[in-house]
Amino acid sequence: SQQGEEDPQALSIQEGENATMNCSYKTSINNLQWYRQNSGRGLVHLILIRSNEREKHSGRLRVTLDTSKKSSSLLITASRAADTASYFCATLRAGGTSYGKLTFGQGTILTVHP
Amino acid sequence: DAGVTQSPTHLIKTRGQQVTLRCSPKSGHDTVSWYQQALGQGPQFIFQYYEEEERQRGNFPDRFSGHQFPNYSSELNVNALLLGDSALYLCASSSLRWGASQPQHFGDGTRLSIL
Repeated sequence: SQQGEEDPQALSIQEGENATMNCSYKTSINNLQWYRQNSGRGLVHLILIRSNEREKHSGRLRVTLDTSKKSSSLLITASRAADTASYFCATLRAGGTSYGKLTFGQGTILTVHP
Repeated sequence: DAGVTQSPTHLIKTRGQQVTLRCSPKSGHDTVSWYQQALGQGPQFIFQYYEEEERQRGNFPDRFSGHQFPNYSSELNVNALLLGDSALYLCASSSLRWGASQPQHFGDGTRLSIL
């Protein structure tokens, strides 16, 4: 079963606007990662934030993590039509035997209109 | 530098048949994980192979089995196929020598359709 929930399930915006996606999870984590998936393709890693970090930036991406609320958000600034994709958060559970097993949310479908 | 490659890209099978999917990890990676992604859902972890052994398994029946070869490539086998096995099967690689908390690199997947 999926560990987390993502919100919203779908988001439609105009080019140049910002897009914010939220993710909640249930267990203690080692880290949380965000991936992008273009239709019918594999997942592309965007950014990883560790449990002891609160915010991380990568280009137009900004990720926040609140471990007390077990939630994270992904902000894409100045969106482009090429950002149209599904976005997934994935968590790596805390503990020594996870061996890199990722638990994914349901995803947010982002559509950016030119 | 080749990324993760999977074959075949598409496959059509009928109920009850058996299927084998293949994955070559990114150069330098030693760990392969398999995920099943149903339409409109997030990927679900099937199992992970490291040093030719299954290290962790998700909530999938024994019909799902795998193998890792000395060159780190991997196979996913599914027996007695059911309609519900129709999905995109994703392979991801990483390097456990750098720790478990590394990003995973995904292939483009194999689209399996069961008739």
